[in-house]
Amino acid sequence: SQELEQSPQSLIVQEGKNLTINCTSSKTLYGLYWYKQKYGEGLIFLMMLQKGGEEKSHEKITAKLDEKKQQSSLHITASQPSHAGIYLCGAAIIQGAQKLVFGQGTRLTINP
Amino acid sequence: NAGVTQTPKFQVLKTGQSMTLQCAQDMNHEYMSWYRQDPGMGLRLIHYSVGAGITDQGEVPNGYNVSRSTTEDFPLRLLSAAPSQTSVYFCASSRDRGFRVTNEKLFFGSGTQLSVL
Repeated sequence: SQELEQSPQSLIVQEGKNLTINCTSSKTLYGLYWYKQKYGEGLIFLMMLQKGGEEKSHEKITAKLDEKKQQSSLHITASQPSHAGIYLCGAAIIQGAQKLVFGQGTRLTINP
Repeated sequence: NAGVTQTPKFQVLKTGQSMTLQCAQDMNHEYMSWYRQDPGMGLRLIHYSVGAGITDQGEVPNGYNVSRSTTEDFPLRLLSAAPSQTSVYFCASSRDRGFRVTNEKLFFGSGTQLSVL
């Protein structure tokens, strides 16, 4: 079973629309990471959240970690073709963990 | 800095063949790890290392061996390749031994696409 569940698994949006991707765990998250992967390439770090209620933004992408630290959301405002790719959340689910577990990824397609 | 370098980028093997996927980082990172990525499964941890001479198993270690003789290198060995090992493999490294430190993150290589026929 997947320790981190991402939803949706696939998303197609019109350019200019907003969208949200969710990452949910049944356990407390100690460090939640968002990465983006362009098709056929490696993973690019987007943001890291650690504290409950924390919110970070980079350009048109905002990520939040809920107060209970069991869910994170990634929100893209006014989507652009450059936002297309696979978004993965990763987390340490044990405090002081020496490994990150990842969700199954969300494939985002932006239609012009 | 080159970051995390993986070789080769593509490889085709026959069932039963052996090979080594290479991973090197030039950031003096303590922590290195190998993941495989399969459709609908996300990234799954194969093996990881918190320093030279120290390795440990991840979620899916069967069929893979690793060693860490230097800080820079962390090769992944497939002793007898099987079709189930067809996947994209990513090496990643991090400065710290754990993920307790704010802003610590994994740096990923560009991946190796492996097909086992």
